[in-house]
Amino acid sequence: GQNIDQPTEMTATEGAIVQINCTYQTSGFNGLFWYQQHAGEAPTFLSYNVLDGLEEKGRFSSFLSRSKGYSYLLLKELQMKDSASYLCAVRSFGRGYQKVTFGTGTKLQVIP
Amino acid sequence: DSGVTQTPKHLITATGQRVTLRCSPRSGDLSVYWYQQSLDQGLQFLIQYYNGEERAKGNILERFSAQQFPDLHSELNLSSLELGDSALYFCASSVDDTGSDTQYFGPGTRLTVL
Repeated sequence: GQNIDQPTEMTATEGAIVQINCTYQTSGFNGLFWYQQHAGEAPTFLSYNVLDGLEEKGRFSSFLSRSKGYSYLLLKELQMKDSASYLCAVRSFGRGYQKVTFGTGTKLQVIP
Repeated sequence: DSGVTQTPKHLITATGQRVTLRCSPRSGDLSVYWYQQSLDQGLQFLIQYYNGEERAKGNILERFSAQQFPDLHSELNLSSLELGDSALYFCASSVDDTGSDTQYFGPGTRLTVL
């Protein structure tokens, strides 16, 4: 089966940097996604990592270590609008199909 | 506005009934994904189609089925509805099926089963 772990909640200060971790256990790993979801809204795709290393997109960066089953999402220069849930999702092969499994999400609160 | 449209926005129905949710992907996108989000289970991937063919499967119940039509719009059919099927159902689309490109989500259909 698959197991994806993220912290349930985090709080950080406006202007600061926050790192949201995600650990996973899966067979047939084929990539890891990060999504942002504001309350009551649809998720927004942030990043996709399939190779080890850091992918940077403006204020957001995502890191993957396949050997450790570990990823993190780094948010810099935090803004109040970054208060949202951040979802880690793993894509994997199995039984001839690919599937995507989501973690339960990390609710980030940015405070002044 | 992501460019992905879903209808209807809200749907209220009774247990045992059958409903169809519709999704139109962004222009040029060939992949369509369906997700279910309920309060107690978070976001669950259901199924993915690419250019009319099933490409990936998640935790989709046998009572649920989907298809993607030649014009690339997709429908999710939910039958023998149960109270626990009440949830937000999202559709997303992307250009290809590799997972490396951006998925754009529609606004969702809120299903309430009474």
